Amino acid sequence: GAGVSQSPSNKVTEKGKDVELRCDPISGHTALYWYRQRLGQGLEFLIYFQGNSAPDKSGLPSDRFSAERTGESVSTLTIQRTQQEDSAVYLCASSLRRTLSGKNYITGELFFGEGSRLTVL
Amino acid sequence: DQQVKQNSPSLSVQEGRISILNCDYTNSMFDYFLWYKKYPAEGPTFLISISSIKDKNEDGRFTVFLNKSAKHLSLHIVPSQPGDSAVYFCAASAFTYKYIFGTGTRLKVLA
Repeated sequence: GAGVSQSPSNKVTEKGKDVELRCDPISGHTALYWYRQRLGQGLEFLIYFQGNSAPDKSGLPSDRFSAERTGESVSTLTIQRTQQEDSAVYLCASSLRRTLSGKNYITGELFFGEGSRLTVL
Repeated sequence: DQQVKQNSPSLSVQEGRISILNCDYTNSMFDYFLWYKKYPAEGPTFLISISSIKDKNEDGRFTVFLNKSAKHLSLHIVPSQPGDSAVYFCAASAFTYKYIFGTGTRLKVLA
């Protein structure tokens, strides 16, 4: 597709259930990110993929959170045993890798999906 | 530790006037800065960027200024339009993959 696609757009679940959130990045984008935005707060970095590898998982809040990426394309963020504090909008973004060419930077801006709103009751 | 700060949670401006959104950062290694705009129920969309080798970048009604000595950047919107009403995030990167976002400023442009 033309943009980053996320599903589901809305998910309501009961505390203790597992949820999976899916992200389809822009074709050809090697970098993929997951961010979280809690109500009234900024964007919180969760994890970064370069290709299928995740060199930085430092933002994952706990071991209940995991993510994978396959085929240098689709990524799934899984939250096990959901808690009420997991309620947030989960945003996926993709980008081309930033490189330096002479004095000019090839822009590596992130292209975001519309997010998956998770509500844990 | 909040490395990127947007100290004004909200801003109201009359249509046609200038909107100035501010962002401060603490990490002197940051070398690339971006501004994003976010409407409700949508993902953030890229507006404009600037690298640390510049102090100004302009794109139509949007201009970003970077003051490295003060570790401060600002986004100017001239003239402001009602459609500019949104939440604006600044983000910074230290020539790595990791973009650190501020908490956002909600801009309201009054008709």
